[in-house]
Amino acid sequence: QPVLTQSSSASASLGSSVKLTCTLSSGHSSYIIAWHQQQPGKAPRYLMKLEGLGSYNKGSGVPDRFSGSSSGADRHLTISNLQSEDEADYYCETWDSNSWVFGGGTKLTVL
Amino acid sequence: EVQLVESGGGLVQPGGSLRLSCAASGFTFSSYAMSWVRQVSGKGLEWVSTISSSAGSTYYADSVKGRFTVSRDNSKKTLYLQMNSLRAEDTAVYYCAKSGSPAGAESDFWGQGTLVTVSS
Repeated sequence: QPVLTQSSSASASLGSSVKLTCTLSSGHSSYIIAWHQQQPGKAPRYLMKLEGLGSYNKGSGVPDRFSGSSSGADRHLTISNLQSEDEADYYCETWDSNSWVFGGGTKLTVL
Repeated sequence: EVQLVESGGGLVQPGGSLRLSCAASGFTFSSYAMSWVRQVSGKGLEWVSTISSSAGSTYYADSVKGRFTVSRDNSKKTLYLQMNSLRAEDTAVYYCAKSGSPAGAESDFWGQGTLVTVSS
């Protein structure tokens, strides 16, 4: 069963860019993941599906400022031109034949 | 427009039971797997259970196996979670989520959640 590891927190300035990372456990480096955003007090929102070679498909209405990339076991979410509304928790998700797992989440602060 | 609306949450005593429902609209419900995910206040997301589009396959987290049962009624476009032998540690907001495939994949749409509180 895969394990997803995320940094607990990150911060960046308004208008800048930030790259969040989700790392897959050993033996699972080819897995597809999904990124989700959860703003304070709200339900999670699906951002994108990200494959091992770096191709990604975003959910409906997700701004162009959000993009994904991959490097080995790392799956990245990059947010450009940071806005105040991007301050949120970001979770990655993956699955195998009979179980699903979420990373612990990264709390992004926009300075 | 895709919509998922959970209901059925509330206060229940330890050892009690509760059934959650998730009413779906805006997509072909019978073509997609569906999941339940929960979140303890101030904590991260925890996967609970997934059911395939036809209900032929069901999957559970170890923490709820044997106590929770997921089901669906494709004619009513509704997902259910029957929760028995509830414990204090089951207290959480429960979200239903649509999967991106019939067998189960990424959660590509979320409901607004329903709060379950297990307390005496």
